[in-house]
Amino acid sequence: AQSVAQPEDQVNVAEGNPLTVKCTYSVSGNPYLFWYVQYPNRGLQFLLKYITGDNLVKGSYGFEAEFNKSQTSFHLKKPSALVSDSALYFCAVRDRVPGNTPLVFGKGTRLSVIA
Amino acid sequence: DSGVTQTPKHLITATGQRVTLRCSPRSGDLSVYWYQQSLDQGLQFLIQYYNGEERAKGNILERFSAQQFPDLHSELNLSSLELGDSALYFCASSPQGGGTTGELFFGEGSRLTVL
Repeated sequence: AQSVAQPEDQVNVAEGNPLTVKCTYSVSGNPYLFWYVQYPNRGLQFLLKYITGDNLVKGSYGFEAEFNKSQTSFHLKKPSALVSDSALYFCAVRDRVPGNTPLVFGKGTRLSVIA
Repeated sequence: DSGVTQTPKHLITATGQRVTLRCSPRSGDLSVYWYQQSLDQGLQFLIQYYNGEERAKGNILERFSAQQFPDLHSELNLSSLELGDSALYFCASSPQGGGTTGELFFGEGSRLTVL
């Protein structure tokens, strides 16, 4: 069975500092990996995905994530945080096996960027 | 705006009652997914439909049921409601069925409060 762990419920960072939101995953095969963001009273919005190729993936709003197969991780990063980045961030995984597997989400990490 | 429409946005009801949540996917999307978001469980996959047929089932209670209609809109029926069913219910859509590399597009959710 596939699963995702986001070890931090909350991450606090000062505006202008780099940020990292951690994610580790477990799948039986190779993964498709995703990051989504949820702003208050809104649905989830897609940020970026890793399918294949370059381990460093760039996405929306200056975010990027690095796929590390040996550590089964897909941490979300941004070089310089903005107050407007404050939101709930979800990592998600889908197993790359034939057939239908749903997208499984982590429990989310709340990012708070302090001015 | 993701293009996914969910109604109602808010719903307050009593224990033992039945409610129906409605989702209209993005134009052209064939797959509809239902997720439940609660504080303690995070985002849980409930069920997926593809072009009118059930494609995958997750942690959906027997008191809950769903269907996708010929016009591709979907309804999630929740019956014999309990206090613990209070949550945010999200619908998401995607163009293809399961096992795809594409992202999901989420609606803004239906917040259910059971008193």
